[in-house]
Amino acid sequence: GAGVSQSPSNKVTEKGKDVELRCDPISGHTALYWYRQSLGQGLEFLIYFQGNSAPDKSGLPSDRFSAERTGGSVSTLTIQRTQQEDSAVYLCASSLWGSSGNTIYFGEGSWLTVV
Amino acid sequence: GENVEQHPSTLSVQEGDSAVIKCTYSDSASNYFPWYKQELGKGPQLIIDIRSNVGEKKDQRIAVTLNKTAKHFSLHITETQPEDSAVYFCAASIGSNDYKLSFGAGTTVTVRA
Repeated sequence: GAGVSQSPSNKVTEKGKDVELRCDPISGHTALYWYRQSLGQGLEFLIYFQGNSAPDKSGLPSDRFSAERTGGSVSTLTIQRTQQEDSAVYLCASSLWGSSGNTIYFGEGSWLTVV
Repeated sequence: GENVEQHPSTLSVQEGDSAVIKCTYSDSASNYFPWYKQELGKGPQLIIDIRSNVGEKKDQRIAVTLNKTAKHFSLHITETQPEDSAVYFCAASIGSNDYKLSFGAGTTVTVRA
């Protein structure tokens, strides 16, 4: 079946503009995650959605970052007033449940470049 | 918060030899330790994971060991093949939250034919 789908795969934006990154998780997965990967670095946790529970937003780096998940499926990560330090690969992932023993499947990421 | 350190940052091995990657973590509450393989242009893919109640786990040519007392865990790849060339990341749960992971900076493994 289809894996985690992200769009756009690449985005170049001017500093100060807003961007939206979309994630379509694997069908039936209740847990959805956003991570950020900067060049040569490991992954940094941003936000986690589980079913109808309140999301864990503890990893969002500033109030310019927000995410929503509509209908328990598709998620959008929004970055307002982008800065050059926002340049990174934004990875979305999903799992059947957000608990022990459930494999987290990552998408191929959205590469964001802020110029 | 959790801090995961990973060594080495790059590793070159001859095909058929073994590769070992080591990670340390700081949060004694961490209880889940997955390893991911990332190929160029792809998202990370889980290759093996271990929980804090287990000391070792093996899956074909891949094994992971965990020393909770010393707060370190390692990935062992035996009989390496060219297709093992990739970036490998270790991760540790932040506290007991399996869904929130702290990642190491990655190890670029190159298997020479």
